[in-house]
Amino acid sequence: SQTIHQWPATLVQPVGSPLSLECTVEGTSNPNLYWYRQAAGRGLQLLFYSVGIGQISSEVPQNLSASRPQDRQFILSSKKLLLSDSGFYLCAWSGGAGSYNEQFFGPGTRLTVL
Amino acid sequence: GDSVTQMEGPVTLSEEAFLTINCTYTATGYPSLFWYVQYPGEGLQLLLKATKADDKGSNKGFEATYRKETTSFHLEKGSVQVSDSAVYFCALTSGGATNKLIFGTGTLLAVQP
Repeated sequence: SQTIHQWPATLVQPVGSPLSLECTVEGTSNPNLYWYRQAAGRGLQLLFYSVGIGQISSEVPQNLSASRPQDRQFILSSKKLLLSDSGFYLCAWSGGAGSYNEQFFGPGTRLTVL
Repeated sequence: GDSVTQMEGPVTLSEEAFLTINCTYTATGYPSLFWYVQYPGEGLQLLLKATKADDKGSNKGFEATYRKETTSFHLEKGSVQVSDSAVYFCALTSGGATNKLIFGTGTLLAVQP
């Protein structure tokens, strides 16, 4: 069966510090991968998605970047965190092109920027 | 573009009450429809889905029917429990290369004993 992991689970970082959040998927190959952010009490905002290794699409201009160095690894990064980067970050995967599949979500990373 | 509209929350119910959370959508083509549930501090879990008109998705006592004529996918449960307290998201995908999901804003359900 497929599983999705995210780490760390929680993170407290000062403004201006770098960020690296990691997501890995097991039990599937060539998935689509997604990064979402959920601000407190709000809905989900899609940040990035990837349909293959090295292929990253950004949904909104922001202080963050994403990379996919391996088929089942998705990394969210920042060089300098802002207060507004605080939130709950969720990684998800789905079947690849041509499917109408649901997405499966990881447990999330709670990021607090102070 | 595609969109999903959910009823505003929070919804507060007593245990064993009937639940309806409304969801309507706008999409070109024939999307697949989903309900996700998010318990406090956790990621989203797929609750149920429907992939074509008149399909009924069901899981854990929850049901939703894909109504193309009214572009709706309302979530229902006959008797809620305290453990159902969570945020519920309606979503759709029109597939394609990206298989992106379009989410509603979420509805907070609070069930009181």
